[in-house]
Amino acid sequence: GAGVSQSPRYKVAKRGQDVALRCDPISGHVSLFWYQQALGQGPEFLTYFQNEAQLDKSGLPSDRFFAERPEGSVSTLKIQRTQQEDSAVYLCASGDRNLLAKNIQYFGAGTRLSVL
Amino acid sequence: GNSVTQMEGPVTLSEEAFLTINCTYTATGYPSLFWYVQYPGEGLQLLLKATKADDKGSNKGFEATYRKETTSFHLEKGSVQVSDSAVYFCALPTGGGNKLTFGTGTQLKVEL
Repeated sequence: GAGVSQSPRYKVAKRGQDVALRCDPISGHVSLFWYQQALGQGPEFLTYFQNEAQLDKSGLPSDRFFAERPEGSVSTLKIQRTQQEDSAVYLCASGDRNLLAKNIQYFGAGTRLSVL
Repeated sequence: GNSVTQMEGPVTLSEEAFLTINCTYTATGYPSLFWYVQYPGEGLQLLLKATKADDKGSNKGFEATYRKETTSFHLEKGSVQVSDSAVYFCALPTGGGNKLTFGTGTQLKVEL
């Protein structure tokens, strides 16, 4: 696709429900990132994939958060037993291996999660 | 680790006014520096970047110069438009370059 696609755009969950957020990166991009953006704040890193390998998950706030990218393309961020503090916009970004584009990340529009 | 500090907003300007949004950084070495922009209801878009000291990034009339002496990367535009209203984020890579650390964002409102 032309850009990073995320779905759903909006998700309302009751406290305790499990949710799954999808990210479809730019075709051919090796790197994939998930960020959490609280209201009025900058994005905070959650996890990073290179192809199907999850190389860094240091930003995941608890073991209720789980991410996967089994075929090195589409990724899913899963949150189990959602809590109100999980309410945020979840952003996905992808990046090229091209050294000229080093560190440049292309972002999707995000999924706004509201936990009631 | 690497970090950035941005001036707080909101910043409200009249159309055609001069814009400066301050950003200072703390980093090991000399990483690339970025400005991202987030328009209402949209994801972040890369606005401009600089990869080494004294580099000037520019795009859409915005400019920022990578200054190692003052560890700054201030965003400037000579004449803002209503369409520039958005939230602007300063960012730099951390953790070996495999993630970005963002400032808290500065909201810009441009009025007629």
